[in-house]
Amino acid sequence: DQQVKQNSPSLSVQEGRISILNCDYTNSMFDYFLWYKKYPAEGPTFLISISSIKDKNEDGRFTVFLNKSAKHLSLHIVPSQPGDSAVYFCAAFSGSARQLTFGSGTQLTVLP
Amino acid sequence: ETGVTQTPRHLVMGMTNKKSLKCEQHLGHNAMYWYKQSAKKPLELMFVYSLEERVENNSVPSRFSPECPNSSHLFLHLHTLQPEDSALYLCASSQDPQSGAYNEQFFGPGTRLTVL
Repeated sequence: DQQVKQNSPSLSVQEGRISILNCDYTNSMFDYFLWYKKYPAEGPTFLISISSIKDKNEDGRFTVFLNKSAKHLSLHIVPSQPGDSAVYFCAAFSGSARQLTFGSGTQLTVLP
Repeated sequence: ETGVTQTPRHLVMGMTNKKSLKCEQHLGHNAMYWYKQSAKKPLELMFVYSLEERVENNSVPSRFSPECPNSSHLFLHLHTLQPEDSALYLCASSQDPQSGAYNEQFFGPGTRLTVL
């Protein structure tokens, strides 16, 4: 059973609008949550993270929200740009297990 | 070279072949990882090496054999693979995860493996 789930395999958004990518998790013991971005033929690259004791972290156009009671996090990209088109992976880190657990990814397409 | 490099980028092999995947990190990290990404599935952690010792083996079949000769190099030796082993194999590195604190993992571009 997957501990980190991304239920939307794909998302299309118009340039300039907001992109919202969602992620759900089942393990309440995760310490950090992260978003990675992956372009074709490249490895995933770290985008933004949030500690489990926070509910929001912002970095430029990217904001991650954490709702611990719902075991849900989301990544907001605003405004979306065509260069943001990539696969976005949600991941969770457990300090006790010292491992990252990934979701299956969401393909974001930003239309010009 | 900078970051994390992987060779080869693409590999096609038969089920009776033996091949090796290579990963090299130029970031001064002391932990390295192998992940498997199958289509439409999450990245699956296969092996973790910290300070050149294997600290994690997530129930990976013995036909996959990792080797970490030093903190900069990681190999994945493959033999008698099955077609379902076809996937993207990603290497990553980070600072030592033993402390329990999160240290960002940096990924290589991956090796696209096809087993015929």
